[in-house]
Amino acid sequence: GQQVMQIPQYQHVQEGEDFTTYCNSSTTLSNIQWYKQRPGGHPVFLIQLVKSGEVKKQKRLTFQFGEAKKNSSLHITATQTTDVGTYFCAGKGGSYIPTFGRGTSLIVHP
Amino acid sequence: KAGVTQTPRYLIKTRGQQVTLSCSPISGHRSVSWYQQTPGQGLQFLFEYFSETQRNKGNFPGRFSGRQFSNSRSEMNVSTLELGDSALYLCASSSLTSGGTDTQYFGPGTRLTVL
Repeated sequence: GQQVMQIPQYQHVQEGEDFTTYCNSSTTLSNIQWYKQRPGGHPVFLIQLVKSGEVKKQKRLTFQFGEAKKNSSLHITATQTTDVGTYFCAGKGGSYIPTFGRGTSLIVHP
Repeated sequence: KAGVTQTPRYLIKTRGQQVTLSCSPISGHRSVSWYQQTPGQGLQFLFEYFSETQRNKGNFPGRFSGRQFSNSRSEMNVSTLELGDSALYLCASSSLTSGGTDTQYFGPGTRLTVL
């Protein structure tokens, strides 16, 4: 079945440094979504990417969808302590069932 | 609009028992999905209901079932509980936007502990 690998599992950064998490799917995706989950909280939708090579920005966050629609990345510029949390990608393939990556936990040191 | 609500928030059961979890979606949302979240397996899709019909189903045993009512509220049931069913069960409601994005709004979850 469809698998979505997400790396790294954890990332420690100093406040102000950049952060990137990557997702790779075993199959071509129809779309990919990104979520953020704060410690003790629930996932919150960030964005959906649909088109091959798509790039979307939300303030300091940049999301990319690969040309082959099998990989995606989330880049945060100049991290802040408010960015702390676990970032998940969720890919949908032909089955329309979302497959979540295991998430990347971002720890920001002030 | 009020967010997605789930009840109960915490539940402790023993092996062999059954449990029913409830989810009320955001008003106007007709799609409700259920997920299981564990440290070992991460977020896993259980099933999705739309207009009272199960539209998609994940790879879980038949002990996991669900239903959706005419008011879009949904319940999921787990029978013959096992220790491995201990998890955070998340419900998410969604509504397709005109741009084609099916944004999922998650509830706070029900923390189930099986002893």
